[in-house]
This record gives sequence, C-alpha cells and structure tokens, in this order.
Amino acid sequence: EADIYQTPRYLVIGTGKKITLECSQTMGHDKMYWYQQDPGMELHLIHYSYGVNSTEKGDLSSESTVSRIRTEHFPLTLESARPSHTSQYLCASRPTGGNEQFFGPGTRLTVL
Amino acid sequence: AQRVTQPEKLLSVFKGAPVELKCNYSYSGSPELFWYVQYSRQRLQLLLRHISRESIKGFTADLNKGETSFHLKKPFAQEEDSAMYYCALFTSGTYKYIFGTGTRLKVLA
Repeated sequence: EADIYQTPRYLVIGTGKKITLECSQTMGHDKMYWYQQDPGMELHLIHYSYGVNSTEKGDLSSESTVSRIRTEHFPLTLESARPSHTSQYLCASRPTGGNEQFFGPGTRLTVL
Repeated sequence: AQRVTQPEKLLSVFKGAPVELKCNYSYSGSPELFWYVQYSRQRLQLLLRHISRESIKGFTADLNKGETSFHLKKPFAQEEDSAMYYCALFTSGTYKYIFGTGTRLKVLA
C-alpha cells in the first residue's frame, strides 16, 4: 500500500548518542520534507529535498543532517543528541505537479 | 516576510454552533493556501486547499486576497471535528510550506 513510514515511532536516548530517524515513502514522490514540531505548536521546516542527491536546509536552524540516495528514502541524522533536540519529527512527501503534502506518523524523540 | 498567522490557540464551541478558525497570511507572490487537520493520535492530513474550492466534512474556506485571509468555516460543529487545525501557505518559488501555529478546536457536547 502506498504510504509514508517513519521509524522508530518513539525514541528515548541519552545525551551524546548518534541517532538516525528513518523515513520511507512508497508513493514515488520526488519532494520530501522534515519538520520539527513541539506539542501543540507550529511545524518548523528543517530539511527538504527535490529529488535524489538534492538536499536543502529549511528555515529552522538544525544540527541534524539528511541524505537522499534513493527516491523513497530520506533519513535524518543527529550526530550527538542533546536535550534541546527533544521534539516530534515529521516526515512528509509531495508528488511532482501536486502541492498536497502527505505526512508520516512522526517520531517522538526524547533526549535525556 | 512570508508568514501565516492563526490568532487563536484554542477555540471552544458547543455542538451545533457555527465555527470559524481564522488564518491570515503575508506573501508577496500568488498564494496557494491549505488547511491541514490532526485528529487525536492520527497523522497530519489535508483538509482543504483553496484551489479546489470544495467542501470537506462540511468545512469551507475562501481565499480573500484583499484581507489576506483564508478562514475555515463550518455552519454546525460536530464533536468529531475536535482536532488541531493548521493553516499552511505554499511558496511556489521555493517549493516550501509555511505553517501557522495551529488552532485547537474543541467541540463541547
């Protein structure tokens, strides 16, 4: 079934650890996005990609990095997690020629 | 500056009452606006886009360029409408979306 997946859904980790949040979509979309969202607050764009080998930083400064080696896969990596990274991370994708975004279920990250 | 403003963090109405969730935007180009909704324990999903001018679940939204607004309306609120609503602006030059801070709608029995 065409969908957008995020793993893990929940992650509790200690300060200084390296983590990778996974995002995969089986919808064949070119454009993909990562947002950071604190509970009940607005979404802040942290990274986006137009397609394979294309990545751009978003409006919110982030210490994370992303890669886009395959169309369907857009992982986000934090080299050294800190408590300030505690948040929900949402992945989204959009088809070429369409402006509707499709969102994944999110990863809730807690850094102790 | 490109900005989306949702002035109400929380809106409580009684079942059967009319609902209006406000959204104002600031954008120098031709705006393309959306309403997204997030029900409890569900993912964010598209509710409406201004281009299609459709009514979804009884909700409508009209783009008013003079007032730079895109308010979401429903004549008779239902309990199942309780959710978080986000207004979003698509910026065609950069292919990015700008989201408002969201409004939590609570429909009381």
